[in-house]
Amino acid sequence: QKEVEQNSGPLSVPEGAIASLNCTYSDRGSQSFFWYRQYSGKSPELIMSIYSNGDKEDGRFTAQLNKASQYVSLLIRDSQPSDSATYLCAERDSGGYQKVTFGTGTKLQVIP
Amino acid sequence: GAVVSQHPSWVICKSGTSVKIECRSLDFQATTMFWYRQFPKQSLMLMATSNEGSKATYEQGVEKDKFLINHASLTLSTLTVTSAHPEDSSFYICSARYRGQNYGYTFGSGTRLTVV
Repeated sequence: QKEVEQNSGPLSVPEGAIASLNCTYSDRGSQSFFWYRQYSGKSPELIMSIYSNGDKEDGRFTAQLNKASQYVSLLIRDSQPSDSATYLCAERDSGGYQKVTFGTGTKLQVIP
Repeated sequence: GAVVSQHPSWVICKSGTSVKIECRSLDFQATTMFWYRQFPKQSLMLMATSNEGSKATYEQGVEKDKFLINHASLTLSTLTVTSAHPEDSSFYICSARYRGQNYGYTFGSGTRLTVV
């Protein structure tokens, strides 16, 4: 059973600070990883995808992947109250239908 | 691009009745559709994977006779919750895989099902 683990939080950060979200995964063969943001009562929206070891930056967001440690993280710089949501880490199967397995999510609260 | 339209956004039904949820890909062909269920304060749990023109593959513990999935065309997949019970009340979300850079996944807006 493939697993994606996240701390459920809540993680509270002041406005303007850096929020750091972490995720570990069990399938050493996984190649593709995603971070989604989900507001309460809404469906997830993709923030970033990452496939290679190292960092990937997009605006205020930076995803980091370490395949040796089976670890994925998401940094949010200059956090805004509108960033308050649940952040879901996900991995994609390398074979078959390439289904996506989600972590339980980390709730982020950005305090004004 | 890569938009999935999901309907209805919410539905209330009586115990024992059936409810159909539709997901349509508007600007691409969705050969594969994933159906998820999310209970309050929990993550998305994959229920089944469907491919156009073939039977759906259900995850362990999901009753295929209760959750009927039809993926008859490249733009439409449906999930029917048969003989619904209050414990089926949940947020149901579809997700389609589309060809983009290294494949992408787009989500429908979700359906809040309440069984009374």
